[in-house]
Order: sequence, then structure tokens, then C-alpha cells
Amino acid sequence: AQKVTQAQTEISVVEKEDVTLDCVYETRDTTYYLFWYKQPPSGELVFLIRRNSFDEQNEISGRYSWNFQKSTSSFNFTITASQVVDSAVYFCALSVANAGNMLTFGGGTRLMVKP
Amino acid sequence: KAGVTQTPRYLIKTRGQQVTLSCSPISGHRSVSWYQQTPGQGLQFLFEYFSETQRNKGNFPGRFSGRQFSNSRSEMNVSTLELGDSALYLCASSLETSGLDNEQFFGPGTRLTVL
Repeated sequence: AQKVTQAQTEISVVEKEDVTLDCVYETRDTTYYLFWYKQPPSGELVFLIRRNSFDEQNEISGRYSWNFQKSTSSFNFTITASQVVDSAVYFCALSVANAGNMLTFGGGTRLMVKP
Repeated sequence: KAGVTQTPRYLIKTRGQQVTLSCSPISGHRSVSWYQQTPGQGLQFLFEYFSETQRNKGNFPGRFSGRQFSNSRSEMNVSTLELGDSALYLCASSLETSGLDNEQFFGPGTRLTVL
């Protein structure tokens, strides 16, 4: 069985601060995919990134960056110079190769960016 | 290109009734997955349909069922509604049922309230 843990349930920062959202996962599968989604108040899940288990290269996309470390089973997400529009709930998720599109989600981290 | 659409967006039912929710995937997508989101349990996978066949099923009672039509549109049905079924039901579509480049796109959800 798969498990995703997001230990931070809520984070509050002031605009322009950097913030890191933690994600730890558990799986016995060797081929798996990790995701981050953003859920604004409207409710729709917005895809941010997908990583497969064979690609540990970190990625940067504008103010967003992701740090994937298989040794610690972590896939952390950092927002640099946060903005009020970044306020949302962020979910980390995991899928494994033999389970189709089934995503196992973490509990989510609510990020509040104050002006 | 139109995104994933879900109807209705809001629904109020009473205990014991049944409900049918609809999801229209992105044109060309053959996989549709359903998720339930509640404050207590978070985001949980219900089932996935691919080319009219159920490919995966989450840990939900038999009151929850679904189907997929030849045009890839999907419906999910919940019979004998319980108060605990109140949730946001999210649908996601993707081209395939698995794969390295297989991205899932989520719809806006249907918010079901059971009174």
C-alpha cells in the first residue's frame, strides 16, 4: 500500500518570504510517480509537477522548485518570494506503475500568504 | 480545448436518496477517475474507468458505482445516501491509464450535501 504524509497542515507566511512544503511518501514499488497539485478556493485541482522514480533531478519553474530525494523518500516543494495568489491548499500525491491513474494523496498543506 | 466538465456543480439530497454525477473528459481522453474529498478523510480514490472498463477501485462500499460510455463520458452513482457522503466529488481525465507522460486533469467538482 502507498502512503503520502504532509506533516504541515497549515503554514502562514508574509508576502515575499520563501516557504517549503514537505512531502514524505511510502511505497514498495520501484516505479512510481510523484505529483504536486494546487487547490485554490474554487476547488479545482491544478497540476503543478510530475516526477518519476527514476528521475531525481531537481526542477525549477519560475518561483517554484522541487527537491526529490529517494534516500529520504521526500519530494519537497519550495515557493520563492511568495505572493498572495499562492494562497491555496497544496497536495502531494503518489501513483505506482501497476495501479493505473490511481493517486494516493497526502492530507494537504494550507498555505496562507499575507500581504 | 475545453477542460473537464462536471455536472451538476452543486447538489442537495436527503438521506436514503440516490444521486448520479456526470463527468465529461477532455476530448480524446479515454481515462476517467473519480475522487471523493471530505474534511475528515481528505482526497480518496473511488475508481478509474478506461475504454468503458473499470480498471481500479478504491476502498468504498458497493453503494458507490460508476460507468463509462463509448464517448468516454462517465457517471458515478451513490445509492442510499448517508450523511457522510457529503463531499466534493472530483473527476479527472487523462489520455491513457498509465505511463510516464500521462497527466491527469481535474474538473471543478460536484459538491454534494446530504441532509
